[in-house]
Amino acid sequence: AQSVTQPDIHITVSEGASLELRCNYSYGATPYLFWYVQSPGQGLQLLLKYFSGDTLVQGIKGFEAEFKRSQSSFNLRKPSVHWSDAAEYFCAVGALTGGGNKLTFGTGTQLKVEL
Amino acid sequence: NAGVTQTPKFQVLKTGQSMTLQCAQDMNHNSMYWYRQDPGMGLRLIYYSASEGTTDKGEVPNGYNVSRLNKREFSLRLESAAPSQTSVYFCASIRGGRGLYNEQFFGPGTRLTVL
Repeated sequence: AQSVTQPDIHITVSEGASLELRCNYSYGATPYLFWYVQSPGQGLQLLLKYFSGDTLVQGIKGFEAEFKRSQSSFNLRKPSVHWSDAAEYFCAVGALTGGGNKLTFGTGTQLKVEL
Repeated sequence: NAGVTQTPKFQVLKTGQSMTLQCAQDMNHNSMYWYRQDPGMGLRLIYYSASEGTTDKGEVPNGYNVSRLNKREFSLRLESAAPSQTSVYFCASIRGGRGLYNEQFFGPGTRLTVL
């Protein structure tokens, strides 16, 4: 079965600083990988996704992520963080099963941005 | 195009009471999902429906039942609510289909408290 680990529960960065959120996955085949963001009291919004091809994927709001198969990682990055980026971020791995498509989420990383 | 809608937004129950959480999507998606979100645990899959007429258990199905009423609607029922079911519940949908994989679209969530 697939699994996702987000080793950082909380991260604090200063506005304008760079950001990297870590994600490691476990999956036997080629993974489908996603990053979602959740603002307080809101649902989840997709930031970016990786299915195949170029291992560096661009998403919304200036985020990007790099798939590294050798490290089983899919880390999320942003060159310059804005105060509005404060939210919780979830990495997820997807799989096709006999019953359909299933996502497994990490436990999330809470991002705080200091002004 | 409303996307994924959930009702109610908030609910308080007493232990032993029953209720049904409603979810509907207007994107003609095949697959629908119910998750619960608890602090420090990310999102965990309760039940899912790969297509109209089918339902399958996810990671944490105990204490819940589901009904895929039609292609648009997927309800989650708590027959006898317990304090351990206090959580935020999210419904999601995906176009899906064999060989296809796309992002899940999430509803805004239902915040449930069981006293």
